[in-house]
Amino acid sequence: NAGVTQTPKFQVLKTGQSMTLQCAQDMNHNSMYWYRQDPGMGLRLIYYSASEGTTDKGEVPNGYNVSRLNKREFSLRLESAAPSQTSVYFCASSEAFNQPQHFGDGTRLSIL
Amino acid sequence: RKEVEQDPGPFNVPEGATVAFNCTYSNSASQSFFWYRQDCRKEPKLLMSVYSSGNEDGRFTAQLNRASQYISLLIRDSKLSDSATYLCVFTGGSYIPTFGRGTSLIVHP
Repeated sequence: NAGVTQTPKFQVLKTGQSMTLQCAQDMNHNSMYWYRQDPGMGLRLIYYSASEGTTDKGEVPNGYNVSRLNKREFSLRLESAAPSQTSVYFCASSEAFNQPQHFGDGTRLSIL
Repeated sequence: RKEVEQDPGPFNVPEGATVAFNCTYSNSASQSFFWYRQDCRKEPKLLMSVYSSGNEDGRFTAQLNRASQYISLLIRDSKLSDSATYLCVFTGGSYIPTFGRGTSLIVHP
């Protein structure tokens, strides 16, 4: 019953460093999503993948890239981390857009 | 008009109270509606889907008003453990899910 698994759970980076957040789901879902959540801002969609082989920008894509490696995995990359990217990042998946999303337990990222 | 609007609250209610939240949406093509619960510093979790005829799950009742474009969540007999942020979500067959910013509920003894 793993559901959506995110790694790492915590990370501290220095400005300018790069890193990749990993996300995998075992529910055979078609759609996957990356969100960031900041205090008072709610969930903001960074990128999404409607199905394997496709990715699209969400509301706040600048400074990020994604890869839908296969149906299970959807990674988020920060090429050159900035303090403004300090946030909690959630990955989610759903069978389709009109089905409920299942979330991972988040990655808490701090950039100094 | 924002795509999704929720009163951020907080709604501060005593145990045993009944409380209701609304969430309005602007996209009339919305087809699917959900309520999520999010505890502090945790991931959102699906609370319930919202069906056209309304639906109930224990102390929770969800309703949809398509004419006025809003959904509601009613919580009866509030428990301390109901304290959380409640997020509404709208989606359709061809557009990505849209989350509201959430309504904070605090249930006190």
